[in-house]
Amino acid sequence: GQQLNQSPQSMFIQEGEDVSMNCTSSSIFNTWLWYKQDPGEGPVLLIALYKAGELTSNGRLTAQFGITRKDSFLNISASIPSDVGIYFCAGLRGGGADGLTFGKGTHLIIQP
Amino acid sequence: KAGVTQTPRYLIKTRGQQVTLSCSPISGHRSVSWYQQTPGQGLQFLFEYFSETQRNKGNFPGRFSGRQFSNSRSEMNVSTLELGDSALYLCASSFRLGSTEAFFGQGTRLTVV
Repeated sequence: GQQLNQSPQSMFIQEGEDVSMNCTSSSIFNTWLWYKQDPGEGPVLLIALYKAGELTSNGRLTAQFGITRKDSFLNISASIPSDVGIYFCAGLRGGGADGLTFGKGTHLIIQP
Repeated sequence: KAGVTQTPRYLIKTRGQQVTLSCSPISGHRSVSWYQQTPGQGLQFLFEYFSETQRNKGNFPGRFSGRQFSNSRSEMNVSTLELGDSALYLCASSFRLGSTEAFFGQGTRLTVV
């Protein structure tokens, strides 16, 4: 099935740095979501975006729904050690008949 | 309130066998979706159940099936297991059908040998 193009695949950053990752698609989605998955756990919803152009924050996280409805980005400011994990973008088409379509994830590693 | 509970957490099966996985959604949630997560393909949608009926289905062969009970608990069954079925199977519950406010369980790690 179709997947979203998520980049970068992995990031090695220093604690305190800002992080940026994005997702693109060849088709339109009505909802964009960002999840974080820790080892041995299921994905946890971080931010949900429902309108093209929408910019939403959740603490140090900020995400935007692209105006073309084919992309989204997630920024994390002032990273801390507990931000380590795999971040997934996901898109949902109208009605949800296809379920969530996920990107392959961005593995965030924070160097001491 | 209790989260999504999946059992068992880990499972080892032999090729050709069949397996049943269980998911108990958050109390009050009526929709249960199932996803397969593998290193190669990532997270892929299997199907969604709402009010005991399969409402949406992903692109998986008929060996993958499921059901939902009147208390919203769901089971997923895979018959004639293949090595490629080794994966983390995740279920997500939500209040409404097709809802984006979906909460995932910890998953069942299935290994087929």
